Amino acid sequence: AQKITQTQPGMFVQEKEAVTLDCTYDTSDQSYGLFWYKQPSSGEMIFLIYQGSYDEQNATEGRYSLNFQKARKSANLVISASQLGDSAMYFCAMREDLFQGAQKLVFGQGTRLTINP
Amino acid sequence: DTEVTQTPKHLVMGMTNKKSLKCEQHMGHRAMYWYKQKAKKPPELMFVYSYEKLSINESVPSRFSPECPNSSLLNLHLHALQPEDSALYLCASSPLSGGNEQFFGPGTRLTVL
Repeated sequence: AQKITQTQPGMFVQEKEAVTLDCTYDTSDQSYGLFWYKQPSSGEMIFLIYQGSYDEQNATEGRYSLNFQKARKSANLVISASQLGDSAMYFCAMREDLFQGAQKLVFGQGTRLTINP
Repeated sequence: DTEVTQTPKHLVMGMTNKKSLKCEQHMGHRAMYWYKQKAKKPPELMFVYSYEKLSINESVPSRFSPECPNSSLLNLHLHALQPEDSALYLCASSPLSGGNEQFFGPGTRLTVL
């Protein structure tokens, strides 16, 4: 069974600083995908970044980058130059492929990030 | 249009009521999902629809009844719910080929009295 572990329940960071959110995973599959989602207090899950297990380059999307270390089974999210609007819950998730192309997302427990002015 | 919409945003219902949650997407995705999220917990998968057919039921109680009338719509019918069913219900969709991301709707916050 797939498992995602996020060991930081909460983090507090000063505005404009970079922040790293930790995520480790466990799977016996050779092909898998890892996601990071942001969930503000409004509740919507906002997709941030995706990393495939065969991708050789670390994924980047604007201020977000994913530090993918396959041997260590870690997929940490790095947010550069944090902003007040980055305050939210952040979930790391792994894709489990189902039949007919559907997918199941297995989520970690989440990290609540607070950006201080 | 890269949006998943959900109605209503908030719902309060009694344990004897019957209500429905609605989800809609116009991205042409043929996989749609219902997740349940309790406070301070991650989302948990409830149901998966592929090509408008129910493909996964994660042992969800029968008081939750999903329906997929067409490729754009997903409903969740609620009947005789319990207070512990109070949660945020999230709908999501994804392509069945050529894509990785699940697109989520804003959710319906359900309170069962």
